[in-house]
Amino acid sequence: EDQVTQSPEALRLQEGESSSLNCSYTVSGLRGLFWYRQDPGKGPEFLFTLYSAGEEKEKERLKATLTKKESFLHITAPKPEDSATYLCAVQGIIQGAQKLVFGQGTRLTINP
Amino acid sequence: DVKVTQSSRYLVKRTGEKVFLECVQDMDHENMFWYRQDPGLGLRLIYFSYDVKMKEKGDIPEGYSVSREKKERFSLILESASTNQTSMYLCASSFRGNIQYFGAGTRLSVL
Repeated sequence: EDQVTQSPEALRLQEGESSSLNCSYTVSGLRGLFWYRQDPGKGPEFLFTLYSAGEEKEKERLKATLTKKESFLHITAPKPEDSATYLCAVQGIIQGAQKLVFGQGTRLTINP
Repeated sequence: DVKVTQSSRYLVKRTGEKVFLECVQDMDHENMFWYRQDPGLGLRLIYFSYDVKMKEKGDIPEGYSVSREKKERFSLILESASTNQTSMYLCASSFRGNIQYFGAGTRLSVL
């Protein structure tokens, strides 16, 4: 069974203090790993897809990396507007092309 | 931009009522999904559909049914609402199993 574990559950940083969020996964065959951002009371917003170990993607202050067992979302010099819950999900080959398995998310708070 | 629209942001229903949650996407996506999101449990897949009139059960289909009569519209039906179905419901769509785009969510309270 595909599984995703995100850590920490919650992270509080000062503005400008860089850090990383972790997503550990077990999957029968990785079709893709997805990162989403979710603001309170809203639906998840797509950030990145990673397909193979060693791949990296960047968007503004965010950088996602992938190994065979985990993915990291690095946040550099964060701002208060980066506060949100960040969700990681995997898409496995055996479970079918469509299905995503989500982690429980990391709630990130950036204090000014 | 992809737009996934859920018909209601907030709903309050009584136990035993039949509840319809509607979702419309404007990108001609073939796949559509219904999730529920609860604190501590994350997003869990209820049902998905890969074509008109086609559906597959997700991880937690009990107590729910779905309907997809047109490609752009996917409905979630609670046949007889119960208090344990109080949750945030999220609809998503994707093209050929790729990136899923989500709606804003419907927060349902069953009293």
